[in-house]
Amino acid sequence: GAGVSQSPRYKVAKRGQDVALRCDPISGHVSLFWYQQALGQGPEFLTYFQNEAQLDKSGLPSDRFFAERPEGSVSTLKIQRTQQEDSAVYLCASSPTLASQRPQHFGDGTRLSIL
Amino acid sequence: AQSVTQLDSQVPVFEEAPVELRCNYSSSVSVYLFWYVQYPNQGLQLLLKYLSGSTLVKSINGFEAEFNKSQTSFHLRKPSVHISDTAEYFCAVSMNRDDKIIFGKGTRLHILP
Repeated sequence: GAGVSQSPRYKVAKRGQDVALRCDPISGHVSLFWYQQALGQGPEFLTYFQNEAQLDKSGLPSDRFFAERPEGSVSTLKIQRTQQEDSAVYLCASSPTLASQRPQHFGDGTRLSIL
Repeated sequence: AQSVTQLDSQVPVFEEAPVELRCNYSSSVSVYLFWYVQYPNQGLQLLLKYLSGSTLVKSINGFEAEFNKSQTSFHLRKPSVHISDTAEYFCAVSMNRDDKIIFGKGTRLHILP
């Protein structure tokens, strides 16, 4: 089956605009994670869903960042009033049931550039 | 709190030479350890993992890493590198199998001809 799919692959926005990034996890995967990877850095955790429940949002950098997963499958990461420091690659990852020993499967990411 | 340190941001090595990418972690509890690889313009791919059992874990393409609890290290090694190994390598740790992953800053492996 298909892996984790993220769209768009690239997004350019002007400072102050709102953006929405989409993640399609692997079918049946319970857990979904969002990470932010700034240039030259490792990915940093943003938020985590178990099915439709957002269990951890401690990594979201500000209240301009909002994530949802209303039906427990597709997730959207929304950034309001974008700033230049929001420029990064946003990675989505999914993993199977809580009892699984398989670690997270990552998508190719969305590269966001704020002008 | 957990953290991961990759001291080398870049490692140049000649083709067919051995390489070691260093990784140290800090955590007050037992952890699971991972190495991820990121090829240019691609997403992260799991290279190998330590969950429990044997402290020496191996990948299908010749990499291996050894979990050393006393030194809190999980260094990645390969006895003979190939040009196709050019990539960025991230060491990572998590508390649970399905918990958030804490990544190091990455080490860029440059293979010299």
